[in-house]
Amino acid sequence: QKEVEQNSGPLSVPEGAIASLNCTYSDRVSQSFFWYRQYSGKSPELIMSIYSNGDKEDGRFTAQLNKASQYVSLLIRDSQPSDSATYLCAVNAGGTSYGKLTFGQGTILTVHP
Amino acid sequence: DAEITQSPRHKITETGRQVTLACHQTWNHNNMFWYRQDLGHGLRLIHYSYGVHDTNKGEVSDGYSVSRSNTEDLPLTLESAASSQTSVYFCASSEMPNEKLFFGSGTQLSVL
Repeated sequence: QKEVEQNSGPLSVPEGAIASLNCTYSDRVSQSFFWYRQYSGKSPELIMSIYSNGDKEDGRFTAQLNKASQYVSLLIRDSQPSDSATYLCAVNAGGTSYGKLTFGQGTILTVHP
Repeated sequence: DAEITQSPRHKITETGRQVTLACHQTWNHNNMFWYRQDLGHGLRLIHYSYGVHDTNKGEVSDGYSVSRSNTEDLPLTLESAASSQTSVYFCASSEMPNEKLFFGSGTQLSVL
């Protein structure tokens, strides 16, 4: 089982819809969770970080964390064509893994007009 | 503005050659990381450093080495390049270990 798994995608949604991206992780002691966006041919950029159970909202983006279920998600409201990219879930386990991020394989999102 | 730069952007080499990829950051970050990105695998950690003279192995460190002689630079060396090391390589840095990673633009390496 992969340490961090994302819904396989690709995911296609119409403009204006909600895009839902999901991620599960295997290490129960994981402490920090991140969503990165990566446009084709570019480097990843951080869009959301979340550290405690519940929801965290930033503009059109909402990150949701459920440590009991080992599940983190990203919702993108009012999706725009400019949101089309690969979204990477990343998890930091803390402890001896302090500072190291484990990434999922990424989910390709396409928002069509 | 502070930044993190990688060079070269593209590199073609032959199997068995030694290759060094450069990474230079002006953020004054203690923490620096090297990842490789392959289709279907996401980003996988090769080596990382928490400060000068500190280096640690990541999950895919075989065939790679790093050294950290100053805060700004963490060069990645492929001792004897193999075709399996064809990949896109990203260098990243962070101020605090659990905080935001700043990525370089990446190096596309092809080993023929």
